[in-house]
Order: sequence, then structure tokens, then C-alpha cells
Amino acid sequence: RKEVEQDPGPFNVPEGATVAFNCTYSNSASQSFFWYRQDCRKEPKLLMSVYSSGNEDGRFTAQLNRASQYISLLIRDSKLSDSATYLCVVSPYSSASKIIFGSGTRLSIRP
Amino acid sequence: NAGVTQTPKFQVLKTGQSMTLQCAQDMNHNSMYWYRQDPGMGLRLIYYSASEGTTDKGEVPNGYNVSRLNKREFSLRLESAAPSQTSVYFCASRPGPDQPQHFGDGTRLSIL
Repeated sequence: RKEVEQDPGPFNVPEGATVAFNCTYSNSASQSFFWYRQDCRKEPKLLMSVYSSGNEDGRFTAQLNRASQYISLLIRDSKLSDSATYLCVVSPYSSASKIIFGSGTRLSIRP
Repeated sequence: NAGVTQTPKFQVLKTGQSMTLQCAQDMNHNSMYWYRQDPGMGLRLIYYSASEGTTDKGEVPNGYNVSRLNKREFSLRLESAAPSQTSVYFCASRPGPDQPQHFGDGTRLSIL
């Protein structure tokens, strides 16, 4: 089983739709969680950190479910500019090296 | 706001040539990382440096060496380039273990 698993997609949704991604992780000791977006042939960019209480940033909401070991990302009112690959990242606190990137979920927003 | 700076941005090498990819960060981060990303694939960790003076192997270290020159700089060297090392190379840094990484904009390397 991979340490971090994501549905690779692609998700193809119309502009204005709500879309949700899940990401599961296997290490129950994991402490830090992040969502990144990566545009084609560009560097990954931090979208948001994921906190235990859940957090929201505009149209984006991230949730953490420790009991079931998954994090989620919800995008409301999707825009054409949201088209990208979304990477789930898990980091156990104890190790500076142990940063696990999911392979990413591709999202395509159509007009 | 420079953040993480990688040089060069593009490079073409012939098989067997050597080259050093440079990375510098101005955020006073402790940890630095080198990744490669092949077309359509995820990031793979080559080497990392948890703090100044230390380096460790990641998932795919063969064919590479690194130097953490000081807190700001972390270089990646290909001693004898091979076509299989054609990839996009990303450098990243972060302040500490529970913090997100910040990435440079990558070096696109082609080996003929």
C-alpha cells in the first residue's frame, strides 16, 4: 500500500461546479498535512495547510479526518484557473526528511 | 522576495558530461531538498539536507551527489550524465519538520 494515495483523475467538471478530492495516508503518526497545486511543467505551490479543526481559504476548504486517516479538499464555484494537478502532502513531525507527496489528482475545468 | 532560486533554468548535456545544479534560499530555512519529476510522474526525492552540515539520501540517489555549502545553498551534481537523468529538477526548502516546503521554479535538464 502506498503511504499516500490519491485518485489520479482526471476530474473534468464545468465551471462553477463544486469538486472534492480525498487523499488517504497510511502512517497514523503523521502530524502535518498540506495541499499543493502544480500547473503543467511548473513547480508545486502551497495551496493550504490542513489543520485538525479544518480550515477554509476563500473557495477552498480542507478537512482532516485522523480516525479514518484521510484529508480532503473541497473547491466551490470552480474557475477555469483552478485547472491543475492537486498534490496531497503528508509529513511526520519527527523527521525532516519524511515528506510524502501523493502522485496528484488532475482537475480540468471546462467552460 | 526571491525565495528559492535555481540555476540554470534549462540545460542540455551530452552523455558522460558532468554538471552542477545550484539552489539558494533566502528564507533562513534549515532543511533543503532535491527532487526530480519525470513527465507525467510524481516527485521523487533525490537527496535532502535536514540542516547545515548534514546530507542524506532520498528515494533515488544513484548517479547524484550533493553539497550543503552553507545554510543558504544546496547543490546537486551529476558526475557522468545519462539519458535516464533527463528530467525536471526541483529544489525545495522549509524551516522545520512541521512546516510546508517552498519550491524553486525548476531546472529542465535534457541529456542526449
